Amino acid sequence: AQSVTQLDSQVPVFEEAPVELRCNYSSSVSVYLFWYVQYPNQGLQLLLKYLSGSTLVKGINGFEAEFNKSQTSFHLRKPSVHISDTAEYFCAVSDHHQAGTALIFGKGTTLSVSS
Amino acid sequence: DVKVTQSSRYLVKRTGEKVFLECVQDMDHENMFWYRQDPGLGLRLIYFSYDVKMKEKGDIPEGYSVSREKKERFSLILESASTNQTSMYLCASRGSAGTGGEQFFGPGTRLTVL
Repeated sequence: AQSVTQLDSQVPVFEEAPVELRCNYSSSVSVYLFWYVQYPNQGLQLLLKYLSGSTLVKGINGFEAEFNKSQTSFHLRKPSVHISDTAEYFCAVSDHHQAGTALIFGKGTTLSVSS
Repeated sequence: DVKVTQSSRYLVKRTGEKVFLECVQDMDHENMFWYRQDPGLGLRLIYFSYDVKMKEKGDIPEGYSVSREKKERFSLILESASTNQTSMYLCASRGSAGTGGEQFFGPGTRLTVL
């Protein structure tokens, strides 16, 4: 069965510092990978996704993620964060061959950016 | 702009009431999902539907039922609300296999059961 582990439940950083949010997944087949962001009292919004091709994926708001098949990881990075990046971030995986089914989500990482 | 809408952003109900949460999507997606979100537990799948009148149990279906009479609409029903169903409820939709795409989420309904 697929699973997603987000290694940090909370990540505090200062404004303009770089940040990495870690995500590992387990799956025996090819996968699609996603990062979502959730601002307070809102739904989830897609940041970026990996379906195939280049392992470095760029998303909205200056975020990027790198797919590493050998380490089964899909870590999210941003070189310089803003206060407005404070939110909860979710990593998700989907079986490549069952693309019509539900994504499997990690438990989330709360990113807190302070000045 | 593609949209998933939910009937209420905030809802307060009493124990034992029957509660309906409605979700509508305008993307002609086959697949629709209901999750609940609780602090520290992430998103947990309650039910999903891959076609009209079809439904599948997710990880935590107990105490819930669903209805999908039209492709664009997916309803979550709490037959007899209990305080442990106080939570944030999120609806999502997704295209068919082969599109490979993401799930689109609604804004959520924060339900409080007193």
